[in-house]
Amino acid sequence: ETGVTQTPRHLVMGMTNKKSLKCEQHLGHNAMYWYKQSAKKPLELMFVYNFKEQTENNSVPSRFSPECPNSSHLFLHLHTLQPEDSALYLCASSQPSSGGYNQPQHFGDGTRLSIL
Amino acid sequence: GQNIDQPTEMTATEGAIVQINCTYQTSGFNGLFWYQQHAGEAPTFLSYNVLDGLEEKGRFSSFLSRSKGYSYLLLKELQMKDSASYLCAVRDRGGNTPLVFGKGTRLSVIA
Repeated sequence: ETGVTQTPRHLVMGMTNKKSLKCEQHLGHNAMYWYKQSAKKPLELMFVYNFKEQTENNSVPSRFSPECPNSSHLFLHLHTLQPEDSALYLCASSQPSSGGYNQPQHFGDGTRLSIL
Repeated sequence: GQNIDQPTEMTATEGAIVQINCTYQTSGFNGLFWYQQHAGEAPTFLSYNVLDGLEEKGRFSSFLSRSKGYSYLLLKELQMKDSASYLCAVRDRGGNTPLVFGKGTRLSVIA
């Protein structure tokens, strides 16, 4: 149990479907992140939110639309995805450095997304 | 650009010691992290280095040399449950900023 919960764990969808991924953190953190993890590639940062405000968009296609209604919840809305978007989507959260110690990111178990 | 290199795969024997290396070239440096990720699970935080030297935490130790852009993760007394991917990540900016990850090293522990 990492304190970051993602649902669903698995999702299969067609290219014309609309679905949403959900992330909830119970750690009191104020930053949340979406990463994409594909086979044989490093984790790719997608979006960053600090205090509910989007602070980074790493050139992500508009078919991915994030939403952060509060510091504990993060969504990723999916629309007309492509087969190459099949991957593990990981949510993470973190809090600012404390006492000079650099705080790690805490990850959820991810949503395994398959696009047909 | 940002570049973090680590071996793709390693195999080691139960009870042995294994060292997983990581080299990095990033525009800035504000700490290096190691994560463990079992298949189908979340990456979990193992260690953090920001100053040169060795940080020990039980069976796991992590070393950093900032002048060489180099780190390693040392796993002692290997157990079968240590079979996992090990991710090296750098925070290249200050504050509450995201990490830059390497591709990960898949470690297989065999009997």
